[in-house]
Amino acid sequence: GAVVSQHPSRVICKSGTSVKIECRSLDFQATTMFWYRQFPKQSLMLMATSNEGSKATYEQGVEKDKFLINHASLTLSTLTVTSAHPEDSSFYICSARLAGGKPPTQYFGPGTRLTVL
Amino acid sequence: GENVGLHLPTLSVQEGDNSIINCAYSNSASDYFIWYKQESGKGPQFIIDIRSNMDKRQGQRVTVLLNKTVKHLSLQIAATQPGDSAVYFCAENIIGNQFYFGTGTSLTVIP
Repeated sequence: GAVVSQHPSRVICKSGTSVKIECRSLDFQATTMFWYRQFPKQSLMLMATSNEGSKATYEQGVEKDKFLINHASLTLSTLTVTSAHPEDSSFYICSARLAGGKPPTQYFGPGTRLTVL
Repeated sequence: GENVGLHLPTLSVQEGDNSIINCAYSNSASDYFIWYKQESGKGPQFIIDIRSNMDKRQGQRVTVLLNKTVKHLSLQIAATQPGDSAVYFCAENIIGNQFYFGTGTSLTVIP
């Protein structure tokens, strides 16, 4: 149980285009989902917390107008990288927290490798 | 935020030996911790967790130790196997809020 999927697993796009990444909790409801970014040989950096039906909370230094997050249902959150540039190339990972789960364990998706040319 | 973005320290161990991976966390108010294993190109995988009211928890071949006085966590892996080669992260949480990840350690098991 507690499976989280991401789509696509890998995407290559041209500079200036927008890319949407989906995160789904497949067998549980997640009131809260999280988006992380990971550069090579580095740790996961929390970008934003996404709550179902409300606006996302962004970490300091993360541009909310560039990284648009939508959490329209209890099983789906999307991250849209708008006007992507080469420096946005990274591994984007989402996680989902089981609604009402105690303790608040997060389950991670397999990640999306974004390459901006 | 509590994130760090430093380059990963590395640890090499011989197959069959025990491994100890350390983690210093930053927030004294953190009360729940998880160790994750991340293989190349994949998302983090849950290994073991511990609440702040405990100082030790054991799983299958893994033990987590928590020292709140010095804000330190360790993950012990018994009889390390080649399949244990991965990057290991500790994550700290204040109940109800976000998780923040430590630097991570790259473990290489030598056959």
